Amino acid sequence: TQLLEQSPQFLSIQEGENLTVYCNSSSVFSSLQWYRQEPGEGPVLLVTVVTGGEVKKLKRLTFQFGDARKDSSLHITAAQPGDTGLYLCAGDHAGNNRKLIWGLGTSLAVNP
Amino acid sequence: GAVVSQHPSRVICKSGTSVKIECRSLDFQATTMFWYRQFPKQSLMLMATSNEGSKATYEQGVEKDKFLINHASLTLSTLTVTSAHPEDSSFYICSAPRIGETQYFGPGTRLLVL
Repeated sequence: TQLLEQSPQFLSIQEGENLTVYCNSSSVFSSLQWYRQEPGEGPVLLVTVVTGGEVKKLKRLTFQFGDARKDSSLHITAAQPGDTGLYLCAGDHAGNNRKLIWGLGTSLAVNP
Repeated sequence: GAVVSQHPSRVICKSGTSVKIECRSLDFQATTMFWYRQFPKQSLMLMATSNEGSKATYEQGVEKDKFLINHASLTLSTLTVTSAHPEDSSFYICSAPRIGETQYFGPGTRLLVL
């Protein structure tokens, strides 16, 4: 069974704090994607990481892909209430008919 | 950019009735589409892979006679929840991968079975 362990599952922090979400697997992925989802809407792609060791930044969000392409992290600096939502990581195995392997999700609440 | 639509966005039905949900890729062709189910504050659970022109591939534990999938064209897949019951109430999302690009997700369909 292919698993993608995501932690923490729930996180409630104060505005201005930093946080990191982790996704770990024993499998190697050709790429890994991070999504953000708000209630009642579909997931919205934040970033795709492809190369081992890759770091991508999206404003206050920093994404890292592990050297071995088995794990990834999302770091948010100075969180704001607008960052509240469900964050999902998903791994893609090339040639697997594009079926994504999903983490359990991290429900983030940023309190003003 | 590529867009995937779903219809309806929200549906309320009586127990025992069937409900059809449509997933369309609006500006690209998708030979494969994925159907997910999601509970509040939880991740997406893959239900089945919809294959254009052939039978859908269901994940373990998903009843194929309960959740009928039809992928009759390269831009449309439908999920029919047959004889719906309250426990089928959920948020259903489809996605379609575009060749050489990422997957695009629909906005989801909220199903409430009374």
